[in-house]
This record gives sequence, C-alpha cells and structure tokens, in this order.
Amino acid sequence: QVTLRESGPALVKPTQTLTLTCSFSGFSLNTGGIFVSWIRQPPGKALEWLALIDWDDKKYYNTSLKTRLTISKDTSKNQVVLTMTNMAPVDTATFYCARFDDNGDFFDYWGQGILVTVSS
Amino acid sequence: QSALTQPASVSGSPGQSITISCTGTSSDVGRYNVVSWYRQYPGKAPKLIIYEVYKRPSGVSNRFSGSKSANTASLTISGLQAEDEADYYCCSYAPTSTWVFGGGTKLTVL
Repeated sequence: QVTLRESGPALVKPTQTLTLTCSFSGFSLNTGGIFVSWIRQPPGKALEWLALIDWDDKKYYNTSLKTRLTISKDTSKNQVVLTMTNMAPVDTATFYCARFDDNGDFFDYWGQGILVTVSS
Repeated sequence: QSALTQPASVSGSPGQSITISCTGTSSDVGRYNVVSWYRQYPGKAPKLIIYEVYKRPSGVSNRFSGSKSANTASLTISGLQAEDEADYYCCSYAPTSTWVFGGGTKLTVL
C-alpha cells in the first residue's frame, strides 16, 4: 500500500525558510521511473507544481520559483525534503507531496497535505 | 510557465453530460500527449482520473473520458451524479521537464 505524509511547521514568519518532509512507504525511490513531487495550493486557489526528484537524484523545478526551491531525498529513510526560502504571506498554502510515475506520466498517490501559513 | 486555462465553473443536471476544457499552448498541451486530470473534493487531496489524455486508471468509472485537439484537452463526464460535484484540474507536461496545472473548474451538479 502506497502512502505519503507531509510534515513540517504549520506557521512560518515572513523571510524565513520553510522545510517540509515527505515520508512515504509502499514504494522505493530507487525504482526507475518513480519520482516524488511537491505541489502547493493556496486557500481557494489552484494547484501549482513546485518540484520533482527522480530515482537518479535528478531534480526539476518550477521555473518561476526555481531560485527559492531545493528538493532532496534520503532514500534510506524513504523521505523527500523540500526547502523554500524567503517565505512571504502569498506563499500560504497547503503543500502536497505526490508520487509521480513516468509510466503514464501522472501523479498517482498524494499525501493528505499540510497547511503552511506565513504570518508574523 | 503559465497555468493552463480552464473555465472557472460548469454545471449540469443528474444524468447529463458535461465537458471541461483545458487550454494550453503549442509548447505544452499541443506538443505532448501527456495531459492528466484530477478530481478534488473540498479539504481532500486530488485524485487521478485520466492520464495520457484519455486513459483511465484502474477503478475509475468509464463515465469519465478525455480527449485532445490541438492546444486544448477536454474532460467529459457522462451520466452526471451528485458525487461528481468537485473541483477538477488538468495537468500537462511542459518544456524543460516541468509540469503545469490548470486553474481548476468547479463542477456543480444541479
């Protein structure tokens, strides 16, 4: 059974760096064709793709946010970490991690999401 | 990397069919047959319902179908049911190994 769960702070202050962890089970990031991605959704707004990391440690980023994002993985712990620097109130959102399968190119399993509020 | 364009809302009566459009550009939707659709209930994570334009994952009702013409992909839901009321998002592969979502469409079942 594939599961993903996001963890991290619920509240960060403006200018701070956000660090989120995606802990997953039921699959391995050592498997070719399997990626883990981060996607966010501001309250009442649309989904926005943020970043993707593959089994070979290749990393892909939203071009508009690239300078602020870092994605990394710890395969031994089955975890993927996203950091986002210089947080601002407009970054308030629910952040999801999701498994991506390139045998079909889809996000097939999602975590429940974590709401991160940026406020002083 | 602009969001794909979807109608903000669509509605239909039970039993009817509705179609949600997803318009991109020749660099994303028009270039790749890698469009997926997701359904999202309030407060819940999105769920995959269509991938690679028209393919359905196991367990997804055949009332859901997808298609694409030029730069526009479409999701059709036939035989509308109350449980179909949700937000729907399209997603496409885009240049330089990035992904872009649509702005989302709220489906109301009247």
